[in-house]
Amino acid sequence: NAGVMQNPRHLVRRRGQEARLRCSPMKGHSHVYWYRQLPEEGLKFMVYLQKENIIDESGMPKERFSAEFPKEGPSILRIQQVVRGDSAAYFCASSPLTDLSGNTIYFGEGSWLTVV
Amino acid sequence: TQLLEQSPQFLSIQEGENLTVYCNSSSVFSSLQWYRQEPGEGPVLLVTVVTGGEVKKLKRLTFQFGDARKDSSLHITAAQPGDTGLYLCAGSNAGGTSYGKLTFGQGTILTVHP
Repeated sequence: NAGVMQNPRHLVRRRGQEARLRCSPMKGHSHVYWYRQLPEEGLKFMVYLQKENIIDESGMPKERFSAEFPKEGPSILRIQQVVRGDSAAYFCASSPLTDLSGNTIYFGEGSWLTVV
Repeated sequence: TQLLEQSPQFLSIQEGENLTVYCNSSSVFSSLQWYRQEPGEGPVLLVTVVTGGEVKKLKRLTFQFGDARKDSSLHITAAQPGDTGLYLCAGSNAGGTSYGKLTFGQGTILTVHP
């Protein structure tokens, strides 16, 4: 089985531009999560989505950040008007509809955003 | 807000030594995961523990979930240079909108010298 696929792996944007990060969950997984890892900080939850629904966005910054998981295609994390403080590693994770092993989610390899 | 305190933050040992990493919280979690993360890569799941008092072994790694499900430990026996990496604990609560919403510890950077 292919794992969680993220692209691009590395992205450089100038201040004020938009960044779009894509995530394809593992086959059979219908739950997608986005996490952010800032330099020198731990992983922080951003948003939890199911197909066409945002379930929990309590970790998303109130402005400039949005996420979607359409019926067809990958989940997208969109950052508008990027600032230097947005430079971080963004990780997508996915889990199956039912997980009898106890809340196990699997992470992709991440997208490293650098804002210059 | 649930918090997970991981200790030590840095650990530098010689090959063959044993070590223990701790993950503590004042909150109860329904499950706890341990991950290992290499530079430039995503966290890779090592184990999930769900039952208070549970002990799981993965070769030279032993994971324990506290009876009260507030803490966990990772013990590595006879560490090898290949064990070098960032170890992360993460707790979650089942059900509703909390599913898959993990609270991560700050991580332990382990360096094993040959």
